[in-house]
Amino acid sequence: DAGVIQSPRHEVTEMGQEVTLRCKPISGHNSLFWYRQTMMRGLELLIYFNNNVPIDDSGMPEDRFSAKMPNASFSTLKIQPSEPRDSAVYFCASSVAGGGRVFGPGTRLTVL
Amino acid sequence: RKEVEQDPGPFNVPEGATVAFNCTYSNSASQSFFWYRQDCRKEPKLLMSVYSSGNEDGRFTAQLNRASQYISLLIRDSKLSDSATYLCVVNKAGNQFYFGTGTSLTVIP
Repeated sequence: DAGVIQSPRHEVTEMGQEVTLRCKPISGHNSLFWYRQTMMRGLELLIYFNNNVPIDDSGMPEDRFSAKMPNASFSTLKIQPSEPRDSAVYFCASSVAGGGRVFGPGTRLTVL
Repeated sequence: RKEVEQDPGPFNVPEGATVAFNCTYSNSASQSFFWYRQDCRKEPKLLMSVYSSGNEDGRFTAQLNRASQYISLLIRDSKLSDSATYLCVVNKAGNQFYFGTGTSLTVIP
C-alpha cells in the first residue's frame, strides 16, 4: 500500500502566483481531507469530501482557496492568488467513513 | 472554548522515565478518541485509539475519563525514539475530528 500520495513535496512561489497541490488517497478510502498546519494555529481542517462530494468547506480561509475531487483517486487544492500568510504545510488525509485519518507526507509551501 | 485542549509542553524527560499527557475535550457527546504522533517535519501518524475501558500497547497506555472529559497517554520506560509531538484527537460524530495542538516530548539520554 503506497499510502496517501501528495505532490509536490515542497513548493516555493512568489506572492500572486497560483499554487496547485495534489493528492491521491488510499484506494478504498471514501473520505478525503485537506489540512493546513502552522506553528501558530496547529492543524486546521480546510475541507473534506465524502465519496468525492465536498461536505464541509467552512475551514477554507477565503475565496482564494478552492478544492476539487473529480474522482475517487485524485484531489487538488488550489490557491489563487497566493499570499505570504499562506505559507504552511498542507496535508491531505484519507479514511474510511468515521475512521482514523491516514495522512500524506504533506506539501511544504513557502510564498515569498 | 476550543474543542480539544492540550498542554503544549515541552516535556523533557530522561530515558527510562514515565511520562503522562492529558487532553481535555469540550463536547460530552464526543464518540471516539485517538492519539497521533508527529515527528519533526513529518506527517501525523495514528499511535493508538482510546477505548472506554482503557487500552495498552506495549509501553503505551491510553485512558478515557468521560465524566471529566479527558483522555490521557502514559509512556513507560521512555526511549529516545519516543521524542515527538503527541496529538490528541476527538471525534464528535461522523467525520468531525478535532485535533489538539500537540504536546512536545523530548527524551534525553
